[in-house]
Amino acid sequence: AQKVTQAQTEISVVEKEDVTLDCVYETRDTTYYLFWYKQPPSGELVFLIRRNSFDEQNEISGRYSWNFQKSTSSFNFTITASQVVDSAVYFCALRRGQAGTALIFGKGTTLSVSS
Amino acid sequence: DAGITQSPRHKVTETGTPVTLRCHQTENHRYMYWYRQDPGHGLRLIHYSYGVKDTDKGEVSDGYSVSRSKTEDFLLTLESATSSQTSVYFCAISQDPNTIYFGEGSWLTVV
Repeated sequence: AQKVTQAQTEISVVEKEDVTLDCVYETRDTTYYLFWYKQPPSGELVFLIRRNSFDEQNEISGRYSWNFQKSTSSFNFTITASQVVDSAVYFCALRRGQAGTALIFGKGTTLSVSS
Repeated sequence: DAGITQSPRHKVTETGTPVTLRCHQTENHRYMYWYRQDPGHGLRLIHYSYGVKDTDKGEVSDGYSVSRSKTEDFLLTLESATSSQTSVYFCAISQDPNTIYFGEGSWLTVV
């Protein structure tokens, strides 16, 4: 069975703090994909990153970074020097390697960044 | 941006009335999906389609039906809307495991 767990329901930080959003996944597949999406208050889903199971390299994009560790089945997301515009709901998702399979989402983490 | 259009974007309807949400794509992608999003639940799969007239149930399919008579259109129907179906509905399209694109969402309120 496939499952994604985002144990942090809500996180509140003050601007310029670093924050890490946790994502733990379960799958028996050897080929799979992991995603992070951001959902700002306006409601749309904004794609942030996709990582396949064979690529454990960490990724950095500006203030965002992702740590993928197969040994712990985790794909954590860190925002460095958070800003008010980072306030959103963040979803981690898992997808099997076959074409056509659906994304399985975690329940999301609501991040509130105050000034 | 992928060419996905959801309609209507916002709808208020009464309990017991039928409602149809439409997802239209211009990408010619084979796979299409309907999700619902509720607080504390994330996004959950309702139904999906792997081709014209080929559909299957997802995790939360009770109370919903779908149809796909053309590659570009995937319709989600609530035969008799209930208050528990008040939600945000997202359509998604995909052609391969690498990519999936989401529509902008449809906000449905059942009163």
